[in-house]
Amino acid sequence: NAGVTQTPKFQVLKTGQSMTLQCAQDMNHNSMYWYRQDPGMGLRLIYYSASEGTTDKGEVPNGYNVSRLNKREFSLRLESAAPSQTSVYFCASISGGAGDTQYFGPGTRLTVL
Amino acid sequence: GENVEQHPSTLSVQEGDSAVIKCTYSDSASNYFPWYKQELGKRPQLIIDIRSNVGEKKDQRIAVTLNKTAKHFSLHITETQPEDSAVYFCAASSAAGNKLTFGGGTRVLVKP
Repeated sequence: NAGVTQTPKFQVLKTGQSMTLQCAQDMNHNSMYWYRQDPGMGLRLIYYSASEGTTDKGEVPNGYNVSRLNKREFSLRLESAAPSQTSVYFCASISGGAGDTQYFGPGTRLTVL
Repeated sequence: GENVEQHPSTLSVQEGDSAVIKCTYSDSASNYFPWYKQELGKRPQLIIDIRSNVGEKKDQRIAVTLNKTAKHFSLHITETQPEDSAVYFCAASSAAGNKLTFGGGTRVLVKP
């Protein structure tokens, strides 16, 4: 199993450009998550999807949109990138609910100039 | 919502000494508390977790304790080694059980 995969690994955007970060998991997990991690800080939840067909806002959703394309894939879109969105983005998934281990993808390092 | 605070933000220890990281949480309904280790440039990886019906859990050199009354939990690393150098994050689950709130992280440096 590849686990949780993310593309791209690195991306540089100019202010105002748009892009989509892709995430896929092959563990048949129900719930998927997008976090951002700023330098020297913890992980902050952007959006999550508790199950296929549902999405909910996390702690810092402004400026982002998500799509749970199917059970495997959960994408994060920046419609008009801003320098404040420069960060490392991690996707994660868990099998079910409370007490399940959350597995992380390798991350996408995004720089917005 | 849940709020998790983690201390200290940095911790430097001599190889062989113990390291202790403490976290507090705000939501008394939280019932799952994992700890993640993140090496430089890598993804966070689960190292140990504890559920609210358990007061202590141990895995080789790592142990976690939970005090539900005081709403705090701690990570203990004994006989530290250079490979323990990393950033450690605590987290607490939401009452709904499917969201984690992370602490701000502790950068641990083990000096040989």
